[in-house]
Amino acid sequence: ETGVTQTPRHLVMGMTNKKSLKCEQHLGHNAMYWYKQSAKKPLELMFVYSLEERVENNSVPSRFSPECPNSSHLFLHLHTLQPEDSALYLCASSLFLAGGSYNEQFFGPGTRLTVL
Amino acid sequence: QKEVEQDPGPLSVPEGAIVSLNCTYSNSAFQYFMWYRQYSRKGPELLMYTYSSGNKEDGRFTAQVDKSSKYISLFIRDSQPSDSATYLCAMSFSGTYKYIFGTGTRLKVLA
Repeated sequence: ETGVTQTPRHLVMGMTNKKSLKCEQHLGHNAMYWYKQSAKKPLELMFVYSLEERVENNSVPSRFSPECPNSSHLFLHLHTLQPEDSALYLCASSLFLAGGSYNEQFFGPGTRLTVL
Repeated sequence: QKEVEQDPGPLSVPEGAIVSLNCTYSNSAFQYFMWYRQYSRKGPELLMYTYSSGNKEDGRFTAQVDKSSKYISLFIRDSQPSDSATYLCAMSFSGTYKYIFGTGTRLKVLA
């Protein structure tokens, strides 16, 4: 596996279900991100982790719960979601969180989530 | 006013055409300007980035930044059907991880 991988690629869940999205980066990066991509809207940054420590929670509802057990893995735990949470959830990673030079974010293929 | 404005398209062009994709922005403090390409059912991949003003060329792609007008462009020469994708512009401040994205422009290059 190379780059950033995400599983599952597609997920359909009811509003009362609990599910988890998984992201793994094979790039040796120290920072990881969760984004939400909805139709006709810009990518929305949800959570940011640096060296397994959460550094950003962008006013995300508590029904989304992130977990970063190590610098290579990132999870997004979902429970009691709403239909408006249906979207493409993208994971990204970067070598560092920030610095004086450009810090590219590498994206995974995303998980297409549908909430019924 | 949105921080970054981008026409969603779709933009349809014949193969071989020169394509111009654009974004405008409101915050003059942005320093990094990125163009990502996103194919259907894939994540965004970085095409090019530019620091501050000026042009940058990579093969058939040219990125331009006009900070005085708060306007950035991506030009694609000799467009190919394989260029059909959604193109996202993004911007950031120096020393930060926060990217501000446009909504993306969907491009179709017709064979």
